[in-house]
Amino acid sequence: GAVVSQHPSWVICKSGTSVKIECRSLDFQATTMFWYRQFPKQSLMLMATSNEGSKATYEQGVEKDKFLINHASLTLSTLTVTSAHPEDSSFYICSAITGTSGEQYFGPGTRLTVT
Amino acid sequence: QKEVEQNSGPLSVPEGAIASLNCTYSDRVSQSFFWYRQYSGKSPELIMSIYSNGDKEDGRFTAQLNKASQYVSLLIRDSQPSDSATYLCAGNSGGYQKVTFGTGTKLQVIP
Repeated sequence: GAVVSQHPSWVICKSGTSVKIECRSLDFQATTMFWYRQFPKQSLMLMATSNEGSKATYEQGVEKDKFLINHASLTLSTLTVTSAHPEDSSFYICSAITGTSGEQYFGPGTRLTVT
Repeated sequence: QKEVEQNSGPLSVPEGAIASLNCTYSDRVSQSFFWYRQYSGKSPELIMSIYSNGDKEDGRFTAQLNKASQYVSLLIRDSQPSDSATYLCAGNSGGYQKVTFGTGTKLQVIP
């Protein structure tokens, strides 16, 4: 149980275009979903926290107009990187929690390369 | 003080030995604690949760929590080369939605 999927697993896009990443909880309803970014050999960086039906809460320094998060249902959250630039190239990982245990279940991640 | 602190390593242990991974935390992180394993190029995977003082065992893994000393540890018995990964310690900081991760300890198990 507690499986989280992400799509796509990798994407290459041109500078200036937008990319949407989907995160789904497959066998549970996620009360909260999180979006992380991880650069090579660096630690996880939390970008935002989203709850179904409400606006995401962004961490300090994360541009909310650039990284659009939509949490449309208890099983789906999307992250759209708008007007992507090469410096946005990174490993984007979502996670989800259910209940109040605090245990996070991570998706497999999406590797974004902006050329 | 960072909310959750880990030694970045690498920690090298021979195959078959016990690997001991440690994590300390600040007063702000006080409720539940988690250990995640992250292989290179992959996303983290939850391996242990611990909520109360003492030890919790699951197969070759034992998590230990000492709230008085504010540390949590993970012991891996009979370490295998496949255990080579980065281990992330995490704790709640004010609510189940607010989980803070340490920077991780890289473990290398030498065959």
